[in-house]
Amino acid sequence: DGGITQSPKYLFRKEGQNVTLSCEQNLNHDAMYWYRQDPGQGLRLIYYSQIVNDFQKGDIAEGYSVSREKKESFPLTVTSAQKNPTAFYLCASSMLAGITDTQYFGPGTRLTVL
Amino acid sequence: AQSVTQPDIHITVSEGASLELRCNYSYGATPYLFWYVQSPGQGLQLLLKYFSGDTLVQGIKGFEAEFKRSQSSFNLRKPSVHWSDAAEYFCAVASNQAGTALIFGKGTTLSVSS
Repeated sequence: DGGITQSPKYLFRKEGQNVTLSCEQNLNHDAMYWYRQDPGQGLRLIYYSQIVNDFQKGDIAEGYSVSREKKESFPLTVTSAQKNPTAFYLCASSMLAGITDTQYFGPGTRLTVL
Repeated sequence: AQSVTQPDIHITVSEGASLELRCNYSYGATPYLFWYVQSPGQGLQLLLKYFSGDTLVQGIKGFEAEFKRSQSSFNLRKPSVHWSDAAEYFCAVASNQAGTALIFGKGTTLSVSS
């Protein structure tokens, strides 16, 4: 079945550690996105990538980094510079980078900083 | 700047009753609008979308939404709510700046009482 997978589902991190969240899609989509969700805040864009080897900062990119070396993969690293990383992280993809292309979401990763 | 407002944080509806969730957007040109639903701890599922044409849009699970340009609204409706509809609902507009990223409202939590 085609879809978006995110791993792990739950992730715990000690303060000062970097962690990487995985996002893989087998939909052959060109564009991929990372959103952060906090209670009562909706979803906010962290980074997006329209094609391989290219990515752009979103509204809240500070303390995060990404790579897009393969079309199907868009990992997100939460660095120690992110002051409040505890949140639910959602990855999404769309077929093309057109404004009308529907985004499909993965099941999410919940990150907790201990 | 584009924005989406969902005025109701939490709504409770009796099972079998009708439902309307409000969404207002701020956008200068023709907006591309979406409604997503999220069950607890899960990713987002697309309910419906509006790009152009007929202002009444049909979606999955018996939902529909009406685009009203004069009111800058895109309200979601369902004639008869089922207990399984209890979830969080997000309205979104496609950004014309950050690639094709979505700008989300803060969400409305729907509870269904028996």
